Amino acid sequence: DGGITQSPKYLFRKEGQNVTLSCEQNLNHDAMYWYRQDPGQGLRLIYYSQIVNDFQKGDIAEGYSVSREKKESFPLTVTSAQKNPTAFYLCASGTTPYEQYFGPGTRLTVT
Amino acid sequence: QQQVKQSPQSLIVQKGGISIINCAYENTAFDYFPWYQQFPGKGPALLIAIRPDVSEKKEGRFTISFNKSAKQFSLHIMDSQPGDSATYFCAATGANSKLTFGKGITLSVRP
Repeated sequence: DGGITQSPKYLFRKEGQNVTLSCEQNLNHDAMYWYRQDPGQGLRLIYYSQIVNDFQKGDIAEGYSVSREKKESFPLTVTSAQKNPTAFYLCASGTTPYEQYFGPGTRLTVT
Repeated sequence: QQQVKQSPQSLIVQKGGISIINCAYENTAFDYFPWYQQFPGKGPALLIAIRPDVSEKKEGRFTISFNKSAKQFSLHIMDSQPGDSATYFCAATGANSKLTFGKGITLSVRP
């Protein structure tokens, strides 16, 4: 069963804690992306990776970190430096930037 | 600076009617324009996409119209159904390999 999986679906953390969101794909896609979605804001790019062991900052990278040690995996860490971390986080992958396929998302709540 | 602007912000249509969502872009380097459909709590799904060398593309009840000189493109949903009720995002990308999304529009189709 091919696709993009994100876990967990819901995540709760206390303020000041780092938290890592998982994203795995078995579509053999080279590129992977992390977006943040807030009500009325659309999707904003956090980080993207076009190849293993390489990644670039997106439009809102501050307070986030990523790694790309395997083609299938692109975990996102939300650090305590992110001032407003509560949001819906979406991972995507694609063979080219023109077509991106999204996972089901993780809703992070920080209190 | 918002490079992709959607209108209207929300739309209510009667069942069987035509839903029309508009997008305007600024960057003339964009050369791929997809539309994504998102249901509550789910990740966006690629619906239909167009390149600027064609003025219209139709897939089932969904049609994209593209006006290169005006830097605008629109999504038409014919015979709208309650199951079409969702949030729709237009997006654009070019050689920089990043998708730029509009803020999204919530469509409600009333039975």
